[in-house]
Amino acid sequence: GQQVMQIPQYQHVQEGEDFTTYCNSSTTLSNIQWYKQRPGGHPVFLIQLVKSGEVKKQKRLTFQFGEAKKNSSLHITATQTTDVGTYFCAGPNDYKLSFGAGTTVTVRA
Amino acid sequence: GAGVSQTPSNKVTEKGKYVELRCDPISGHTALYWYRQSLGQGPEFLIYFQGTGAADDSGLPNDRFFAVRPEGSVSTLKIQRTERGDSAVYLCASSLEGSANYGYTFGSGTRLTVV
Repeated sequence: GQQVMQIPQYQHVQEGEDFTTYCNSSTTLSNIQWYKQRPGGHPVFLIQLVKSGEVKKQKRLTFQFGEAKKNSSLHITATQTTDVGTYFCAGPNDYKLSFGAGTTVTVRA
Repeated sequence: GAGVSQTPSNKVTEKGKYVELRCDPISGHTALYWYRQSLGQGPEFLIYFQGTGAADDSGLPNDRFFAVRPEGSVSTLKIQRTERGDSAVYLCASSLEGSANYGYTFGSGTRLTVV
């Protein structure tokens, strides 16, 4: 079945620096979704990308969907302590979402 | 309601006991999902309801797990003869419809600990 892989598993970032996390699917996706889970919290929907090559921005977060619709990336600029948490990508698998294992972000002040 | 509500937030039970976990989805959301999340892992699919029926229960690990949604709203996940390996956070999510083309709204989860 469809699998979604995320790298890196952990991202340790100095406050103010930029970083990118990647998501790869074994199959072509109709859409890709990103979620954020704060420590001790539950996943919260951030965004959905649908079109090939689509780029969407939310303040310091930039999301991109690959041309082949099999990969996606999340780029965060000027990382802040509020960015701490685990970021999951998820892709449709029949009528449900399959989630990656996530990228856990820690920030050094 | 305004969000997805799950009760209890924490449940400690002895090995071999029966537990029920409840989920109250967003009003009007026809799709309801149960996921299980272990430490350091992403949510793992258990079962999906469209209305009252279980449209996909392929993620249930074995026949000790069962879920119902009798009136198309509240859902209950039932686990019989609990085992220590069942310890995890059980997440419920609802969505406007069940095409996986809409974002999920997750509840805060039930942390199940089997001792």
